[in-house]
Amino acid sequence: KQEVTQIPAALSVPEGENLVLNCSFTDSAIYNLQWFRQDPGKGLTSLLLIQSSQREQTSGRLNASLDKSSGRSTLYIAASQPGDSATYLCAVRHNNAGNMLTFGGGTRLMVKP
Amino acid sequence: NAGVTQTPKFQVLKTGQSMTLQCAQDMNHEYMSWYRQDPGMGLRLIHYSVGAGITDQGEVPNGYNVSRSTTEDFPLRLLSAAPSQTSVYFCASRPLASNQPQHFGDGTRLSIL
Repeated sequence: KQEVTQIPAALSVPEGENLVLNCSFTDSAIYNLQWFRQDPGKGLTSLLLIQSSQREQTSGRLNASLDKSSGRSTLYIAASQPGDSATYLCAVRHNNAGNMLTFGGGTRLMVKP
Repeated sequence: NAGVTQTPKFQVLKTGQSMTLQCAQDMNHEYMSWYRQDPGMGLRLIHYSVGAGITDQGEVPNGYNVSRSTTEDFPLRLLSAAPSQTSVYFCASRPLASNQPQHFGDGTRLSIL
């Protein structure tokens, strides 16, 4: 059974810092990996999607990498801002009939002004 | 573009009551799914559908029914509510091609007393 782990569970940094969020998964037979942002009381917003054949994706200050063989992905946030405060979730999509997503537990990020 | 719309946003039920959580999307997505989000458990897949008339079970289907009579709507039914079903429920949709990101609604917060 696929298991997805995110470390750290919570992170507090001062504004302006560059930071890295980690995601690991146990089964490398994935179709793709997706990073989401969740604000309190809200749904999930897709940030980046990396196909299994890709190594990284970039969007603005965000960069996500994927090392499928080692079961790891990182989300790099450059020059963090208070508006980046949210919970960040990674999810892997399986190579099975349902193409279901398995989610990690999330990293709760607080960026202090 | 409304995206994925869930109603109601909040609901309190008594044990044994039944209710339907509504989900509608206006993006003509074939794939729709329901997740529940619980503290310490992450998001878990309840049921999913790859198109009108087709549904299948996810990771935690017991106590829930779904149907898909149209492309737009994917309601989730609680047959006899139990306190263990207290959770936040999210509906999601995406095109059938698995390389597309998942779009989420804002969730329904359900409490069973």
